[in-house]
Amino acid sequence: NAGVTQTPKFRVLKTGQSMTLLCAQDMNHEYMYWYRQDPGMGLRLIHYSVGEGTTAKGEVPDGYNVSRLKKQNFLLGLESAAPSQTSVYFCASSYSMGHIDSGANVLTFGAGSRLTVL
Amino acid sequence: EDKVVQSPLSLVVHEGDTVTLNCSYEVTNFRSLLWYKQEKKAPTFLFMLTSSGIEKKSGRLSSILDKKELFSILNITATQTGDSAVYLCAGARGAQKLVFGQGTRLTINP
Repeated sequence: NAGVTQTPKFRVLKTGQSMTLLCAQDMNHEYMYWYRQDPGMGLRLIHYSVGEGTTAKGEVPDGYNVSRLKKQNFLLGLESAAPSQTSVYFCASSYSMGHIDSGANVLTFGAGSRLTVL
Repeated sequence: EDKVVQSPLSLVVHEGDTVTLNCSYEVTNFRSLLWYKQEKKAPTFLFMLTSSGIEKKSGRLSSILDKKELFSILNITATQTGDSAVYLCAGARGAQKLVFGQGTRLTINP
């Protein structure tokens, strides 16, 4: 049981380049999230999805786009990378509000993707 | 603006000591308080607290929530080197809105 898998684990980009981070979960979770983690700032929500075909903005969405074409996958795109987007990116997933375990707030995280923009 | 503040930001203790980590929160429509442990990579879930005054325990770790004073503590007794990690606290307002604190970096020296 893999849980939440992120690819790639590391990437170096030049300013202006584009890339996509892929997140896959095998737990049949409804909700999926993308966070970024920067020193001294904790985890900040970029975008999230409450189901296949739906996405919504989080706390720091500028410069990023997302898509959830399949329930198990959540893609994070950078169209024109900037040095300010150098960070560690975490994908997470959870059950929905109606789940019997009431686990909508209990997130399962991926291992992270370290992105450096030069 | 919602915020979660953890203290201390960094703590170094000796193996066997007991530590208390603090988390204060100001979260609109607060639903629950969560604690995560982050070692090298993915944060892993420790506790979710929704009611005041009810302690949750897991082995040497315990946590409690005070909804009147808007804070939570995480206690670790008889610390071991494997407890070294960053401990994250998050306030939840609804299902999709977790507001994380900066984390407390705990180092346990043998």
